[in-house]
Formats: sequence, structure tokens, C-alpha cells
Amino acid sequence: GAGVSQTPSNKVTEKGKYVELRCDPISGHTALYWYRQSLGQGPEFLIYFQGTGAADDSGLPNDRFFAVRPEGSVSTLKIQRTERGDSAVYLCASSLSSGRAGNEQFFGPGTRLTVL
Amino acid sequence: GQNIDQPTEMTATEGAIVQINCTYQTSGFNGLFWYQQHAGEAPTFLSYNVLDGLEEKGRFSSFLSRSKGYSYLLLKELQMKDSASYLCAVREELIGYNKLIFGAGTRLAVHP
Repeated sequence: GAGVSQTPSNKVTEKGKYVELRCDPISGHTALYWYRQSLGQGPEFLIYFQGTGAADDSGLPNDRFFAVRPEGSVSTLKIQRTERGDSAVYLCASSLSSGRAGNEQFFGPGTRLTVL
Repeated sequence: GQNIDQPTEMTATEGAIVQINCTYQTSGFNGLFWYQQHAGEAPTFLSYNVLDGLEEKGRFSSFLSRSKGYSYLLLKELQMKDSASYLCAVREELIGYNKLIFGAGTRLAVHP
């Protein structure tokens, strides 16, 4: 079956613009996560969805970042008034559930965001 | 606080064995994962440990000591394709769900 997909694979934008990044999780996975990965660093947690609701958004750096998952499947990460410091690879991951120990997270290929 | 430490870079020779260490201090603990990440690609799952001891899976093994806050990933019979970053991640148990905290990763270069 298909893995986690993310679009676009690359996004170049200008400072101050609005961007949307899309994640399509593995079918049947109820848990969905967004991470941000800067060069030479590990993924940094942003937000977690269980179904349609954001169960933990403590990793979102500020109120310019917002994410939705209206039907419990596809999720969109939205960044307003982008800044150069937002440049990174944005990774999405999904898992069968989050409550069970051992449920691995499957990662998508990421969206490389460059803010000029 | 949360802290996960692993070496930044390692080099090894094709056919050899390499051990990548990870130490952690987290608020809670509900398992430790190792992921492999090739440059420009997504992390892929390698191993999971929740109890003390060694888990072996082919050429890769992972060890955990919860009392010491320590894990290692052992790669045997190294191949050129093993050149990648190896990410140690701790599953932190929170109310209602488990959260993954990643280390910065260890970049392994395998030479002929």
C-alpha cells in the first residue's frame, strides 16, 4: 500500500507570504504528526492529531503556524507571514494509534520550504 | 528537562562493525526508537526497545539500559549503503498519548 505522501516536495516563497503544506497519511492511521527538521538536526515535534482534533500543539513555534485535519485523514500545515527562519524540511508522520507502546511512526518524504 | 545526546559523526570501514551510542534524560520514558535517514529522504524505522536488553534484527541490533538512560545501535558487516544519519528517539509518555523526542542524529560515513 501507499506510504505517507506530502505535497509539494519543494516550496520556495518570499518572506511575508502564506504557504500551505499537505500531508496524506497511510489509510487507517488515526494518529498524525508534523515535525520540522533543520539541517544537521533531528526532527522537532510541532503538532499531533488524533482523528480530527489537535491533541497536542505545544510544538508550534508561534501563532503564525496552524494545522488542520478536518476529516481525520489529510492534514494541512499553514504558515502565515513566512520568515527566513521558517526554512526547513517539514515532515509528516502517521501511526495506527498513539496510545500503544511500540506503534512506530511512518514518515513522509517531507516538504523542503525555502523562504527567500 | 529533555536531553538526548548522540555523537555528531562517525566513520567506519566496509565490512566492519560500528556502535552508535545514545544517552537520554527525559520527563517520562515509554520506549526508545532508532531511525535511519538517508540524505534528502524520510526517516525509516529500524528498531524499538522498551525493556532492558538487546534486540537483534539481521545486521542491526539495539540495546537499552533504562537505569542508565542509555541505548546503542550496533551495525554489523557494514555496507556502503549504510552511510546515513541514525536518529535516536525517546517515546515520552504523556496523558493520552506518547510523544517522540529526537536526538540530533549521528552521521555515519562508510568507506571502502
